[in-house]
Amino acid sequence: DIQMTQSPSSLSASVGDRVTITCRASQSIGSYLNWYQQKPDKAPTLLIYAASSLQGGVPSRFSGSGSGTDFTLTISSLQPEDFATYYCQQTYSDIYTFGQGTKLEIK
Amino acid sequence: QVHLVQSGAEVKKPGSSVKVSCKASGGSISNHVISWVRQAPGQGLEWMGGITPIFGSTNYAEKFKGRVTITADESTNTAFMELSSLTFEDTAVYYCAIIVFGNWGQGTRVTVSS
Repeated sequence: DIQMTQSPSSLSASVGDRVTITCRASQSIGSYLNWYQQKPDKAPTLLIYAASSLQGGVPSRFSGSGSGTDFTLTISSLQPEDFATYYCQQTYSDIYTFGQGTKLEIK
Repeated sequence: QVHLVQSGAEVKKPGSSVKVSCKASGGSISNHVISWVRQAPGQGLEWMGGITPIFGSTNYAEKFKGRVTITADESTNTAFMELSSLTFEDTAVYYCAIIVFGNWGQGTRVTVSS
């Protein structure tokens, strides 16, 4: 199975900060990469699909980039509602796999 | 917009099986991969497997092969996930999802307790 490794595992930041989360695949996955946000006791919400396409209704402060094995999720100016856990997921192979998650906390 | 509604919470004994359903409305599940994802308490998301109902084809994560069975009934627009030989480590919230649309069910809490 393709392994997905996110960094950092946790991150403290302040409202208004620019934040970047990275995700690395164990082999090339083209642009078959999704990013999710999850808040406690809620189902994940799709933010970015195909590495850089913004899901409908998602604020434009979220952006994604990358291809092959290295990807990033950037939040340009953190808002209070952005403090959550973020996951990447590859859909290149028939066996989809998630990164281990990045918990974004308020500094 | 396909809406997914899952069955209710379950409490099971170790060694038993659980079957969770995921009913779709607002569109057909036939042409889409229905994935099952679980999340143990305080842990991350774990993709278990998926089915494409129109082909009846399934894929399972290596960790769950032999213990999970994913099926679908196109006539009722419902997918199912059955997990057998339950242990305490299977206590988790189980989600169904159509990943490509970003549509997720509300989750089903499965508790394994003696």
